[in-house]
Amino acid sequence: GENVEQHPSTLSVQEGDSAVIKCTYSDSASNYFPWYKQELGKGPQLIIDIRSNVGEKKDQRIAVTLNKTAKHFSLHITETQPEDSAVYFCAASMRAGGTSYGKLTFGQGTILTVHP
Amino acid sequence: DAGITQSPRHKVTETGTPVTLRCHQTENHRYMYWYRQDPGHGLRLIHYSYGVKDTDKGEVSDGYSVSRSKTEDFLLTLESATSSQTSVYFCAISGDLMWNSPLHFGNGTRLTVT
Repeated sequence: GENVEQHPSTLSVQEGDSAVIKCTYSDSASNYFPWYKQELGKGPQLIIDIRSNVGEKKDQRIAVTLNKTAKHFSLHITETQPEDSAVYFCAASMRAGGTSYGKLTFGQGTILTVHP
Repeated sequence: DAGITQSPRHKVTETGTPVTLRCHQTENHRYMYWYRQDPGHGLRLIHYSYGVKDTDKGEVSDGYSVSRSKTEDFLLTLESATSSQTSVYFCAISGDLMWNSPLHFGNGTRLTVT
């Protein structure tokens, strides 16, 4: 099955700096890569996702890049703010449809702390 | 929270007792999932459902069973709880095509087995 490795496990930055979280996946058939943010006491919330036919996607201060050849993808947060402090998870999946039900395999998570 | 309600939100139980966690959705989504979250492991899939009465195992299904008698409800049962099942359990839902209807999570149930 799919295996997703996420690094680093903790990341501490100063407000205004950039933060980068990296993930690698094992199954070359995976074609959907979402990122989730989890705040204390809540469930993970989708913040951005990318499909395998796209190399980069950006949404305001957040961007995700995908390198299919190397089987890795990254989350970039620019101009970090204290409210960006949370746990971030990457995930990988084959698309739902036919006999595939779109099961997500998650990375281990990154605790991001943004210091004012 | 995408119309997902998990109950109870917290539960403490003793080893060997049965426990049922409930997930209720109001989105009429086809797919429902149960994940557990543990430090250092991220979220791991326990069981999932692709329709009423249609379920299948995930990567950590031992000791768990599920049932889905209605589109809106997905139950997770620990037949005989063990301390290794102390965890935070998350229900999630998605539509037919994940990139058109991404996975959305409930707020979790914190289960402690003493």
